[in-house]
Amino acid sequence: DAKTTQPPSMDCAEGRAANLPCNHSTISGNEYVYWYRQIHSQGPQYIIHGLKNNETNEMASLIITEDRKSSTLILPHATLRDTAVYYCIVAAGNKLTFGGGTRVLVKP
Amino acid sequence: GAVVSQHPSRVICKSGTSVKIECRSLDFQATTMFWYRQFPKKSLMLMATSNEGSKATYEQGVEKDKFLINHASLTLSTLTVTSAHPEDSSFYICSAGLGDSPTYEQYFGPGTRLTVT
Repeated sequence: DAKTTQPPSMDCAEGRAANLPCNHSTISGNEYVYWYRQIHSQGPQYIIHGLKNNETNEMASLIITEDRKSSTLILPHATLRDTAVYYCIVAAGNKLTFGGGTRVLVKP
Repeated sequence: GAVVSQHPSRVICKSGTSVKIECRSLDFQATTMFWYRQFPKKSLMLMATSNEGSKATYEQGVEKDKFLINHASLTLSTLTVTSAHPEDSSFYICSAGLGDSPTYEQYFGPGTRLTVT
């Protein structure tokens, strides 16, 4: 599976949008982009996934560049409960390889 | 969304004993379940893929005789850490798949914190 690169940490203000970048320049044509997050001492939580089109659900939006080499997860109105480690994963099948993720701290 | 449970949530055992961790998909059937371990401040590492009714597939470097996996039904997989040692202390997390590849969503259990003394 292709490797992803994410910034190790970022802060954002409560109530503002949080934009989390992810680079996956070696992504293959059949690989999807998945986002999960892990709140401290809990199991990861599925957020969203996409192939090439932008996706939106009740939690977030996923913007994938046209060349699919990078993507951005958008949390539209960050809350304190969104503080977590966010993982961007590219995978073609059911096997997920977790990288370091981005540690997001939402501040009041 | 789909719910996956784990039991126990926390366990402390003595070195040399075995510990069994259960992973259950509560409201769906999962033909495939996954086991991960996570050390403090580190990312999740996939240990093995568990398929119902067949032998688990272990990742490179994971000892299959030490980490016994049984997936006896579509809603239950168990991980047994045999002859546990302090270095096995970790956060063990399972997940279960919902849907068919390639749009595969995995739902994770809350994790089991194992401490071996």
